[in-house]
Amino acid sequence: EAGVAQSPRYKIIEKRQSVAFWCNPISGHATLYWYQQILGQGPKLLIQFQNNGVVDDSQLPKDRFSAERLKGVDSTLKIQPAKLEDSAVYLCASSPIGRGDETQYFGPGTRLLVL
Amino acid sequence: GDSVTQMEGPVTLSEEAFLTINCTYTATGYPSLFWYVQYPGEGLQLLLKATKADDKGSNKGFEATYRKETTSFHLEKGSVQVSDSAVYFCALSKQGGSEKLVFGKGTKLTVNP
Repeated sequence: EAGVAQSPRYKIIEKRQSVAFWCNPISGHATLYWYQQILGQGPKLLIQFQNNGVVDDSQLPKDRFSAERLKGVDSTLKIQPAKLEDSAVYLCASSPIGRGDETQYFGPGTRLLVL
Repeated sequence: GDSVTQMEGPVTLSEEAFLTINCTYTATGYPSLFWYVQYPGEGLQLLLKATKADDKGSNKGFEATYRKETTSFHLEKGSVQVSDSAVYFCALSKQGGSEKLVFGKGTKLTVNP
């Protein structure tokens, strides 16, 4: 079974530019998560989707971050405009529903550096 | 709000030494508890989990027991290997894992031969 795919793996941009990250979850997983992991800290949830609906976006900085999950499969996270403090690893995870195992499976992450 | 506190790292051990990484949590209700591991250059992987009090999670020689009375979920391994060198994260979730994970800051473990 293929794991969670993310692209790009690395991105370097200047502040005030925009950037987008893509995530393809494990096939059949209804729930998709985006986490932000700043160096030296644990991951923090930005947004959670179930199918194509938002379950939790309470910690998403909505003035600059946006995310969508069209058709309940792939997802895109966008930052516009980027700030220096957005430098972090952006992790995508997915989990199934109703199979008795709701473990979250993580992708390799996208490492963003904002200069 | 809910939170997880892990022992500060980094931790450096010799091969075959005993490992303990402390983890305590603050949460309302009865969360599920997890240990995730991040090997160099790789994504987060679930190491073990426990969903109710007194449950013991185990995998690859690692163990952790859910202690509600002390709100703890300490990670232990009797004999570490060089290949165990990684960053270990303790985390909780309110609904068995389907709700968001709240992570600790992580503990970096280095095992020397």
